[in-house]
Amino acid sequence: LAKTTQPISMDSYEGQEVNITCSHNNIATNDYITWYQQFPSQGPRFIIQGYKTKVTNEVASLFIPADRKSSTLSLPRVSLSDTAVYYCLVVGGNNAGNMLTFGGGTRLMVKP
Amino acid sequence: KAGVTQTPRYLIKTRGQQVTLSCSPISGHRSVSWYQQTPGQGLQFLFEYFSETQRNKGNFPGRFSGRQFSNSRSEMNVSTLELGDSALYLCASSLLSDSSYEQYFGPGTRLTVT
Repeated sequence: LAKTTQPISMDSYEGQEVNITCSHNNIATNDYITWYQQFPSQGPRFIIQGYKTKVTNEVASLFIPADRKSSTLSLPRVSLSDTAVYYCLVVGGNNAGNMLTFGGGTRLMVKP
Repeated sequence: KAGVTQTPRYLIKTRGQQVTLSCSPISGHRSVSWYQQTPGQGLQFLFEYFSETQRNKGNFPGRFSGRQFSNSRSEMNVSTLELGDSALYLCASSLLSDSSYEQYFGPGTRLTVT
């Protein structure tokens, strides 16, 4: 399983765009990059997933360069409610089961 | 569609006792995974069940066990509780047994061992 590295914490202000970068140097050909969000005392929530280039949904964008050794989660115009821990995961698309390996995540604090 | 439900939400047990936690997945989901979350170790995978079969198991002692029923509901059991078992236990369900698919987490069961 590819190990991921992401900043421990980040601060931002309401209305700003936040970019959280994750490195995954050992990503395999069949792996996808997935991001989950977790609020205190709640289970993680799936945000976005991608394989290469750019993926966008109503919540975030995910940028993946050609070598796929890193990815960037972009949250546009954050609000106080985006304060949470964000986890970058590399998941295997080879039907080997549903084991998710969570790292330490990035604790995002959005200030007014 | 109802989300993943876990019962009970909070539980206080004494060291040495055993505990059973329950998880009801989203209707139609056949995969149920369990995770333990503590401040020190973060989120750690316990095990996964798919169609009543355990497919993957994390690095936890044999005191931690689970099972899945034919309706996909799952239970996990911890025997001979230790203080270090105090944690938030999370259950996640998925349509298929493939980690590239989105997993839906429940609110968790907060277990306190005294």
